[in-house]
Amino acid sequence: DAKTTQPNSMESNEEEPVHLPCNHSTISGTDYIHWYRQLPSQGPEYVIHGLTSNVNNRMASLAIAEDRKSSTLILHRATLRDAAVYYCILRDDPGYSSASKIIFGSGTRLSIRP
Amino acid sequence: NAGVTQTPKFRILKIGQSMTLQCAQDMNHNYMYWYRQDPGMGLKLIYYSVGAGITDKGEVPNGYNVSRSTTEDFPLRLELAAPSQTSVYFCASSYGGGMNMNTEAFFGQGTRLTVV
Repeated sequence: DAKTTQPNSMESNEEEPVHLPCNHSTISGTDYIHWYRQLPSQGPEYVIHGLTSNVNNRMASLAIAEDRKSSTLILHRATLRDAAVYYCILRDDPGYSSASKIIFGSGTRLSIRP
Repeated sequence: NAGVTQTPKFRILKIGQSMTLQCAQDMNHNYMYWYRQDPGMGLKLIYYSVGAGITDKGEVPNGYNVSRSTTEDFPLRLELAAPSQTSVYFCASSYGGGMNMNTEAFFGQGTRLTVV
């Protein structure tokens, strides 16, 4: 399985944008880039995913490099509730059997300063 | 919809005891997963299932067993509990469909297990 590399921790100020990077230099053409986050004492929750084009939803934006070897999760205006561990995960095209696994790395622990 | 429901929320086991962690989902998802998360660490995949009657090992399957007799339920069995199995266990489900389907995974709230 292709691996992802994320910084162990990041800090940001409340109400400012946050850019969380993820490197995935061995990504394959059929890998989707998924982001999940885990709030304290809770199960992970889905944030966003994409394949090649940048994606936006109500929670965040996902910027994918043209060569797909890296991506950035963007929180446009961080709140204290966004303090969590953010995981960048590669998932294969659901048509392939390997897509059934979701393997988590160590993630980035995001702290938000009031 | 209830989503993914895990029971119990907390449990203390003695070494050598066995138990079953229950997981049920009401979203008609074909894929289901079990993870464990040790304190301060990331999630490790124990077992997963792509549909009723089909299960496969994940990263850390030793000491656990699973079964998937229905689409809705995916119980995790611990035989001969050991202190190393003290952890928080998360169950998740997702749809594994075509290329353009939304395959986000939904997680339960976890079962906190202590083996003493």
